[in-house]
Amino acid sequence: DQQVKQNSPSLSVQEGRISILNCDYTNSMFDYFLWYKKYPAEGPTFLISISSIKDKNEDGRFTVFLNKSAKHLSLHIVPSQPGDSAVYFCAASALAQGGSEKLVFGKGTKLTVNP
Amino acid sequence: GAVVSQHPSWVICKSGTSVKIECRSLDFQATTMFWYRQFPKQSLMLMATSNEGSKATYEQGVEKDKFLINHASLTLSTLTVTSAHPEDSSFYICSALGIQSLRQYFGPGTRLTVT
Repeated sequence: DQQVKQNSPSLSVQEGRISILNCDYTNSMFDYFLWYKKYPAEGPTFLISISSIKDKNEDGRFTVFLNKSAKHLSLHIVPSQPGDSAVYFCAASALAQGGSEKLVFGKGTKLTVNP
Repeated sequence: GAVVSQHPSWVICKSGTSVKIECRSLDFQATTMFWYRQFPKQSLMLMATSNEGSKATYEQGVEKDKFLINHASLTLSTLTVTSAHPEDSSFYICSALGIQSLRQYFGPGTRLTVT
């Protein structure tokens, strides 16, 4: 049973436009969510995170939105740049109430930004 | 930012031999390190959680006698794949959790190919 789902395996956008990557989760115990960017044959690089007490977190061109009632989060990249082309992983953990720092990852979405 | 290294980055071994992979946190102390495995076009799957000075906690379905984990210091954890088989060929990634940190910092990964 996949607790973190990224239903779009790939996404292609034009440079300068907005990229929206989606992630759904099933475990209501998750209270901390992260997005990682990964290039082939490299480890993931942290991008942005959000705690369940917030519904939005912004860092430069990256914004993460969290809808707890829908168990859905999304990563917005605007404007998109060719260098953003990579695989983006959504991850979740359950830190509260003595939870673990263990991360559960989605399968990733490959973003391609076309010049 | 925090840097995590892995060695080797790429290894080929013969079936039946053992391979050791090192994970080091270079500029911070990591009480907890995690080992992941990623198959092509799949998510990162947590194999085990390694705490300094204690036994590792393995995820369900991961053979602890096959994947030996040692976390001897606050900056080093090792994963030894014993009696490797071709189906163990994968991309192994470690991450390190700093003291009082919510964020995992990932190593660059190790590509293991068993022939």
